[in-house]
Amino acid sequence: RKEVEQDPGPFNVPEGATVAFNCTYSNSASQSFFWYRQDCRKEPKLLMSVYSSGNEDGRFTAQLNRASQYISLLIRDSKLSDSATYLCVGSGGYQKVTFGTGTKLQVIP
Amino acid sequence: DVKVTQSSRYLVKRTGEKVFLECVQDMDHENMFWYRQDPGLGLRLIYFSYDVKMKEKGDIPEGYSVSREKKERFSLILESASTNQTSMYLCASSFLGSSTGELFFGEGSRLTVL
Repeated sequence: RKEVEQDPGPFNVPEGATVAFNCTYSNSASQSFFWYRQDCRKEPKLLMSVYSSGNEDGRFTAQLNRASQYISLLIRDSKLSDSATYLCVGSGGYQKVTFGTGTKLQVIP
Repeated sequence: DVKVTQSSRYLVKRTGEKVFLECVQDMDHENMFWYRQDPGLGLRLIYFSYDVKMKEKGDIPEGYSVSREKKERFSLILESASTNQTSMYLCASSFLGSSTGELFFGEGSRLTVL
């Protein structure tokens, strides 16, 4: 079983829709979690950190559920520019950063 | 602006050739990483370094070696390239003990081994 698992998608949603991604992790030693965004043929970039208390940044909300070992990302009012692959990341320290395989989002006009 | 620069965006090599991939960061980061990214497998850590001349194996070090002679430079070496090493290679850096977990990536080097 992979340490971090994501549905690869693609998720095809119309502009303005709300879309949610989940990610599950198996290593309970992972202490920190993050969402990265990767545009086509580009490098991954940090989107936001994930906290148990939730983390909101504009249209994006990330949540961590330690009891169920999953992380979520909610995108409200989707924009065409949100089209990308979203990578779920678990970290047990800088030596142990594990990336999920990514969930592809395509926002359709 | 933070910058991680990889020396080559695209390379084509033949089986058995020695390949050098170089990475330079200008942020004075202690940690540097080499990943490869393949469809369906995501990013997998090859090697990382947390200091000059220090290196640690990642999840898939076989067939690779690294060199870190200066803090800003981290090189990945394929001693004898094989076709299964065709991939996208991503270099990243971060501060030691970074609490944000933010890795800064280079644009990637797409290697094709024929």
